[in-house]
Amino acid sequence: TQLLEQSPQFLSIQEGENLTVYCNSSSVFSSLQWYRQEPGEGPVLLVTVVTGGEVKKLKRLTFQFGDARKDSSLHITAAQPGDTGLYLCAGGSSNTGKLIFGQGTTLQVKP
Amino acid sequence: DAEITQSPRHKITETGRQVTLACHQTWNHNNMFWYRQDLGHGLRLIHYSYGVQDTNKGEVSDGYSVSRSNTEDLPLTLESAASSQTSVYFCASRAVDTGELFFGEGSRLTVL
Repeated sequence: TQLLEQSPQFLSIQEGENLTVYCNSSSVFSSLQWYRQEPGEGPVLLVTVVTGGEVKKLKRLTFQFGDARKDSSLHITAAQPGDTGLYLCAGGSSNTGKLIFGQGTTLQVKP
Repeated sequence: DAEITQSPRHKITETGRQVTLACHQTWNHNNMFWYRQDLGHGLRLIHYSYGVQDTNKGEVSDGYSVSRSNTEDLPLTLESAASSQTSVYFCASRAVDTGELFFGEGSRLTVL
């Protein structure tokens, strides 16, 4: 069974601080996605990474896929209250076509 | 604009009753999924379908069933609701070219 472990599960920081969320597995994934979810809504895709070592930037968010395609990280620079939400990583399997989600990281950015 | 809608958004039922959650998408996606979301567990896959008449079990399929009679709809049925099935349920469809999942707004189910 493929598992994705996210850490930390909860993070409360002040506006302007930097943070990193980690997503780790013992399994290799063909792709890794990051979603953001706000209360009362479904998750929305932020980014997809498919190549080992790949780095993608989305404004103040930097996403990295590990060289072995078993782990990923999300780094937010100068966090803002609008970044508050639940961040979910999801690993894709080319064999099954399924996406496996991590437990999620709840981020609170205080003004 | 294409969308994916779930109904009902909120439902309270009693133990032992049959419940059906509807999911309708206008993306014309072949791949559709049902997840449940519980605190500390993220999203767990219940059932999924890769096309009409195709259904597959996910990691937490016991007590649930789905049917796929057309491309647009994937209803989720709880045959005999249990308190352990109290959760928020999300339906999603996937774009094959990008792999992106498009989620509905969720259905909050409470089983008393």
